[in-house]
This record gives sequence, C-alpha cells and structure tokens, in this order.
Amino acid sequence: EAEVAQSPRYKITEKSQAVAFWCDPISGHATLYWYRQILGQGPELLVQFQDESVVDDSQLPKDRFSAERLKGVDSTLKIQPAELGDSAMYLCASSAWVNTEAFFGQGTRLTVV
Amino acid sequence: GDSVTQMEGPVTLSEEAFLTINCTYTATGYPSLFWYVQYPGEGLQLLLKATKADDKGSNKGFEATYRKETTSFHLEKGSVQVSDSAVYFCALTTFGNEKLTFGTGTRLTIIP
Repeated sequence: EAEVAQSPRYKITEKSQAVAFWCDPISGHATLYWYRQILGQGPELLVQFQDESVVDDSQLPKDRFSAERLKGVDSTLKIQPAELGDSAMYLCASSAWVNTEAFFGQGTRLTVV
Repeated sequence: GDSVTQMEGPVTLSEEAFLTINCTYTATGYPSLFWYVQYPGEGLQLLLKATKADDKGSNKGFEATYRKETTSFHLEKGSVQVSDSAVYFCALTTFGNEKLTFGTGTRLTIIP
C-alpha cells in the first residue's frame, strides 16, 4: 500500500542549529502539505504545495522556516536557526487533487534543547 | 476564519461502553467534515468523512452525522474496544481551500 514517507522519525537538535526534514508523497499526488502539531494541540498548516508551487504559506514563519518541492515530487522543510518553541511533530501529507483525501506520514518529532 | 471545537479530553471508558466525542465547527464556506485518528506512534489516518448536510460517515463501527443546523459532527460508537484507544481529531475543509483545519484532539483510553 502506498504511503507518505518521512525522515527522520526523531530529531534532537540544539537551539540555533539548522535542521531539515524530508517528505516523499504518494506517487502521483499533486498536493503536498506540511503541518506542525504541538503537543496537546491539533495540526496546523505550515505550507501547501500544488506540484512545485507554493499555494499557501501564510502560517510559515519565513524568518526561520523554508520549504521547497523541487520537481514537484519530494519536499524538504528547513528550520534555521531552531528555537526551543519549535519542538513539535512535523507532519507531511499528500492528496491526489483538490478536495480529495489527504494521506499523512508518520511524522518527524523534533526536540530542540 | 474557520475553526473546530472538540470535546476536551482525556476520555476514559470501559470496554463495550458507548462513546460520544462532540465536535462543532464554524466555517466561512460550505465545509466538508472529517474525523481523523492517531494511534500511538503513528501518523493521522482518516476515520470517516461527510461532505454535505445530513450525510452520515461511518467506518469500523464509528459514525458521525453532518448536522448543518447545529454545526456539529459528533463521533459515536456503540461498543468501544481496547484497540480504539487513540487520539481523535475533528477537522474540516471548505471548497476552494482544501487545507484541513483541526480541532485540538480528544485522547480516548479504553480499559478492559
């Protein structure tokens, strides 16, 4: 069964360091999402891609976060520099097209110390 | 903006008990409604959905009915099992804005 792949599963980093997460969506899925889930809260959208284009990054802290989806397939989310408040689960999801089911990866749990 | 309000947790029930997790929403457009489940150590999985008023979504014994008049989408199950222990999230999308807006989640624990 096709899955959204994310790596790493867990990451511990020191504040002020750079960190990057990778996501490989289900093959053929045009839409890719990055969500952040702070402990005890629901996921919140950071950025949405349609193919290689960003369609919504209104909640992405652009002073420290960046995301790219070169060639419209896999995607990388970067934080530089990391802050203590960035500790969270980072979830990637993909969907075939608009208004279709989003499939989630297992997430990357980031701890900033 | 769009928002989802979920019943506060955690919820602890005995096996075979009846489950209700309340969910209400506000939306700027006509929403589609979802319940996602997150088992320990795993990502989110779609449990069920409903795309228009009075639709009932169902899966694995869980049900939820889209009630436009009360802006609600409560999750129910007649007889819960230990394996249902997880965190449940209510969510919505609106046409033309397919990002999911989630509630805060309800942690459910079923004891034998």
